[in-house]
Amino acid sequence: AQTVTQSQPEMSVQEAETVTLSCTYDTSESDYYLFWYKQPPSRQMILVIRQEAYKQQNATENRFSVNFQKAAKSFSLKISDSQLGDAAMYFCAYKEGGGGADGLTFGKGTHLIIQP
Amino acid sequence: EAGVTQSPTHLIKTRGQQATLRCSPISGHTSVYWYQQALGLGLQFLLWYDEGEERNRGNFPPRFSGRQFPNYSSELNVNALELEDSALYLCASRPDRPKETQYFGPGTRLLVL
Repeated sequence: AQTVTQSQPEMSVQEAETVTLSCTYDTSESDYYLFWYKQPPSRQMILVIRQEAYKQQNATENRFSVNFQKAAKSFSLKISDSQLGDAAMYFCAYKEGGGGADGLTFGKGTHLIIQP
Repeated sequence: EAGVTQSPTHLIKTRGQQATLRCSPISGHTSVYWYQQALGLGLQFLLWYDEGEERNRGNFPPRFSGRQFPNYSSELNVNALELEDSALYLCASRPDRPKETQYFGPGTRLLVL
């Protein structure tokens, strides 16, 4: 079974600075997708960024970028120019490719605090 | 474009009762997933419906069930409620392409007393 590990229960960063959230995963599959979701206090899960395993290029979305190290099974999220609105729980998630039957496998989350 | 919607936002039940939670996917999405987010247990996959059929379920007992209607909306039923069923229940839908990306609703918070 696939597992996703987020080793940082909580991270704190000063507004306007950069923070990196860590995620590692374990799988024997070659076709899979990785995601970062954000869950603010409102509880709505919001897709931040996604990465296809077959793509070597790291995904970026505005201030959010990933460092995808396939051999090391590592998928970290970098948030640049942190803003107060970035404060939330961040979940790393895995999904087998090919339209597989299983749902997303989530890590336990990292609580990100933004210090003004 | 409207996102995934869920109702009710909050639900309070007592042990042994039944709870019904509803989800409407994004227009054009035919697959609906249900997840449970319980304190201390994280997010766990519950059920997957596609084209009106239950396609897969996670490691949950049969008292968790549901259905998907012809308009692709979905209902999650939890029978014989237990205190441990208290959780946030999240619904997600996905498009045909890309199949792997899911979009979540705001959730229903179920409290079992």
